[in-house]
Amino acid sequence: KAGVTQTPRYLIKTRGQQVTLSCSPISGHRSVSWYQQTPGQGLQFLFEYFSETQRNKGNFPGRFSGRQFSNSRSEMNVSTLELGDSALYLCASSPVRTGDSYEQYFGPGTRLTVT
Amino acid sequence: EDKVVQSPLSLVVHEGDTVTLNCSYEVTNFRSLLWYKQEKKAPTFLFMLTSSGIEKKSGRLSSILDKKELFSILNITATQTGDSAVYLCAVGANAGVTSYGKLTFGQGTILTVHP
Repeated sequence: KAGVTQTPRYLIKTRGQQVTLSCSPISGHRSVSWYQQTPGQGLQFLFEYFSETQRNKGNFPGRFSGRQFSNSRSEMNVSTLELGDSALYLCASSPVRTGDSYEQYFGPGTRLTVT
Repeated sequence: EDKVVQSPLSLVVHEGDTVTLNCSYEVTNFRSLLWYKQEKKAPTFLFMLTSSGIEKKSGRLSSILDKKELFSILNITATQTGDSAVYLCAVGANAGVTSYGKLTFGQGTILTVHP
């Protein structure tokens, strides 16, 4: 079974621009979560989607947005990029939760550099 | 504000040693606690814990949650050089049945295992 895929893997943008990152979950997984990882702040939760609905949102400004499509693929968008948005953006997918068995699988990430 | 604190921040041991990693939390509407292993790539899911006192095991790794004292430990017995990684703890809150909830991550414990 193919793993979580993220595109693009690397991206360089200029301050003020916007960017869209894409995540394709494992086939059959309906939940997709996004995270930002930086050396200073560590791993931070951005949002979680299930069945095209945002279920939870982290403490990020409104410049960060996302969506999920009917095939469970997800995109996140960052508008008006700032230097501090440079980070590794990770996507993770999960199957439908059943009791305590609810694993999460991460993609390789998109490395965004803002200059 | 939700808070997750891991200790120690770093640990150096020799192969064969047993290590205990700690994770304490202050979270409103706790739902679950998750452990991840991160090498030079995306995190790998290890365990999800939701109930106190029930040990989860996978090979040489085990973990337990104490919801009264608000902490979890991750034990690794007979450590190997391949266990060298950053171990992350995250706590989920405000979750529904199909969700981990909003995750708050600890800063991680860097484990180095020498031959």
